[in-house]
Amino acid sequence: QLQLQESGPGLVKPSETLSLTCSVSGGSISGSKYYWGWIRQPPGKGLEWIGSIYYSGSAYYNPSLKSRLTISVDTSGNQFSLKLSSVTAADTAVYYCARAGTSGSRYSWFDPWGQGTLVTVSS
Amino acid sequence: DIQMTQSPSTLSASVGGTVTIACRASQSISSWLAWYQQRPGKPPKLLIYTASSLESGVPSRFSGSGSGTQFTLTISSLQPDDFATYYCQQYDSLITFGQGTRLEIK
Repeated sequence: QLQLQESGPGLVKPSETLSLTCSVSGGSISGSKYYWGWIRQPPGKGLEWIGSIYYSGSAYYNPSLKSRLTISVDTSGNQFSLKLSSVTAADTAVYYCARAGTSGSRYSWFDPWGQGTLVTVSS
Repeated sequence: DIQMTQSPSTLSASVGGTVTIACRASQSISSWLAWYQQRPGKPPKLLIYTASSLESGVPSRFSGSGSGTQFTLTISSLQPDDFATYYCQQYDSLITFGQGTRLEIK
């Protein structure tokens, strides 16, 4: 059964870079040819797609975050990562990683999801 | 960008009842729409994809319909576990979510 697990600091200072990793188990990132995504949810609010990456490294970003965002994949480590620079309090959210629902489609539904990790931006 | 608007924002219903949640896209997205259920403190759970395809393991009480710009999620014979927040998501161009509909017990 495919499982995803987010990890990274729970507290980041304003203007610094938020870095998270999603570890995948029960399946291979490189072998499955799916897109892998990041989604976030500010406390008490709705869901926002951050971006998605293919096993080959091709990435697609939310235009509203693109200038601050880097998503990368490590196929040997079976994980993918998110870096968001120059963070502010508005970036405080639960960050989820997830797999796209259909093989090869850069835009898709997501299933399964990780449990999520809360990142707070505060000094 | 494609905007997704859900209505209503909050819905009250009784166990055993039937509810319908609407989702409207700002432009045509064909059938590239998914529905999720989210309980507090949990990740979203996929219910429906491609507007009307039921995800494996999801009860048949959940159904989706629509195409183009207008979509609905219908839940019949409401069970206590169904009281949660529901989101639609388009994946025709980039990815955007609706703002959510909170289903409360009446």
